[in-house]
Formats: sequence, C-alpha cells, structure tokens
Amino acid sequence: GNSVTQMEGPVTLSEEAFLTINCTYTATGYPSLFWYVQYPGEGLQLLLKATKADDKGSNKGFEATYRKETTSFHLEKGSVQVSDSAVYFCALRYYGNNRLAFGKGNQVVVIP
Amino acid sequence: EPEVTQTPSHQVTQMGQEVILRCVPISNHLYFYWYRQILGQKVEFLVSFYNNEISEKSEIFDDQFSVERPDGSNFTLKIRSTKLEDSAMYFCASSVRQGALRNTGELFFGEGSRLTVL
Repeated sequence: GNSVTQMEGPVTLSEEAFLTINCTYTATGYPSLFWYVQYPGEGLQLLLKATKADDKGSNKGFEATYRKETTSFHLEKGSVQVSDSAVYFCALRYYGNNRLAFGKGNQVVVIP
Repeated sequence: EPEVTQTPSHQVTQMGQEVILRCVPISNHLYFYWYRQILGQKVEFLVSFYNNEISEKSEIFDDQFSVERPDGSNFTLKIRSTKLEDSAMYFCASSVRQGALRNTGELFFGEGSRLTVL
C-alpha cells in the first residue's frame, strides 16, 4: 500500500549546521509529496510540496526534490536557525483523492 | 489569517465514556478531515467529509467513531465508548476553498486535541 518512512529518532544540531531529514515512500501511481512542519503549540502547516518527478519544493530555506528513481523526498536546509526547531512530517497524497499518508515525524532541536 | 481551531486542547476520560472533540474548520473550505497520532507513531488518517457526508474512512474508523457537521461551522468527532488505545492526539483539518480553480492538495490543520483515556 501507500506509505511514507522517515528516518528514526530526533535530530539535534547546532545553529548554522546543515540539516537533512530522510523520507522515502511506497506508492502506486504518481503521488504528490509534502513536508509539513509543526512548531511548538501549533498545528501542522505545509512547508513545501512537489507534485511530479524531479520537481523541487522550496520554502524558508528548506528544499526537497522528488526523486522517483529512489522513491525519496529528503528535506534539506543549508543553515538552520533556532527558530527551525519543530517536528517535521513527510507525507504523500493518494492519487485521485485528498487523503494524506504521513510518516512518524522527526523532532528537530537546534541549539544556539 | 483564517485557521482551524480545535477544542478541547486536552481531555482526560475514563474508559467506556463518550468523548466529543470539536473543530471549527476554515469557513469557506469544502473538505474536512480527522487524523490522529498515537504517541511515537505515525499520523493516521481517520475520515474525510464532503458535502455533508463521509467521503472516505480508514479501517481505524469503526462503529465507535462518528462525525457530524451539526451547523454551518462546527465539525465534530465522537468516540462512543473510549478504549485505552484511543489515547492519542487528534487533528482536524480542512481543505479546498470554495470556488478554487484547482485542488492544491494542501490541508490546513488545527493544533490538535490530546485525548487521554484512563
């Protein structure tokens, strides 16, 4: 079935470090892929998305490229800030409907 | 900026009790959803609602669960007889603005309601 797998465990890093969060997916057809972010005390909000192979989504310095050959959508940011501390969720949208399949999420903690 | 609001933020209940979680979706959205996240696990889809009826539900959404849009603004999730394993964060979401030319796929989520079943 359609599913998303994120790397295990929280991520702790220093300010200005490079961030990568891995996401791979299993899906039939051609899903759309998303990264959602949840800041403390807030709801999940869309960070970026890509709707077809080789598309790159970007927002707030974050990027992710839809790689069909490796079924991946890894999230990257070149220089993180303390304000990037949040939980990041990878998700895919089932072909033909609005239902999202999420990964477990990764807690990111950025230390000054 | 319009947002999805959920109440209560946290509810503690005894096993077997009925619980109603409330949501006010963004006012001109057409689709409404409930998701849940059990601690340490994935965010899971429960149900979607469109045009005053359920459009899709997952295997989790059994007879113990029901949704309702009792008026023009609220969207509720009822758990008829709670079980310990219903303890989770429940997220409401809405999408697709009325009159939108296309569906971008973006869901707008509330902050969540944490349910603890004892």
